[in-house]
Amino acid sequence: AQTVTQSQPEMSVQEAETVTLSCTYDTSESDYYLFWYKQPPSRQMILVIRQEAYKQQNATENRFSVNFQKAAKSFSLKISDSQLGDAAMYFCAHTGTASKLTFGTGTRLQVTL
Amino acid sequence: GAVVSQHPSWVICKSGTSVKIECRSLDFQATTMFWYRQFPKQSLMLMATSNEGSKATYEQGVEKDKFLINHASLTLSTLTVTSAHPEDSSFYICSGAGDNYGYTFGSGTRLTVV
Repeated sequence: AQTVTQSQPEMSVQEAETVTLSCTYDTSESDYYLFWYKQPPSRQMILVIRQEAYKQQNATENRFSVNFQKAAKSFSLKISDSQLGDAAMYFCAHTGTASKLTFGTGTRLQVTL
Repeated sequence: GAVVSQHPSWVICKSGTSVKIECRSLDFQATTMFWYRQFPKQSLMLMATSNEGSKATYEQGVEKDKFLINHASLTLSTLTVTSAHPEDSSFYICSGAGDNYGYTFGSGTRLTVV
């Protein structure tokens, strides 16, 4: 069974600074996808970034980038130039051939002035 | 982009009654619809997976007779909570999957059973 672990229940970052959210996963599959989702107070799930396991290059989306370490089964999210609107719950997720998303427990990110 | 429209956004019902939650995929065909439940300050827990025209596959511990899922078309899936009780109060979210491992989430339904 796949598992996703987020060891940081809460993180805080100052506006304009950089923060990294950690995620590790366990899977027996060789072909899978990893995601970071943002859930603001509205509770709408918003895709932040996606990584295909077969791609060695780390995915980036504007201020968001990942550090994908396949051998270590690590998938951290870096948010650069943090903005107040980045404050939210962030969930790391994994999917394999079964196509079911398995979510981590989430990290609540606070952004301070 | 792809949108999943979920209704209602919130509902209050009396204990013992049934509630239907609807998810429609707009601008894409959701071959698979996933239904999640989320308790306050917790993660999303998958309840069931449904494919168009097939019976839903329920996760362990989820009562299929209580949470009825219908996926009659590629654009509509419904979750009916039957004989709802206060412990069924929660936030329910659907997610439609089309091609290319894209998942589109509905905006969620807050169910309160009184």
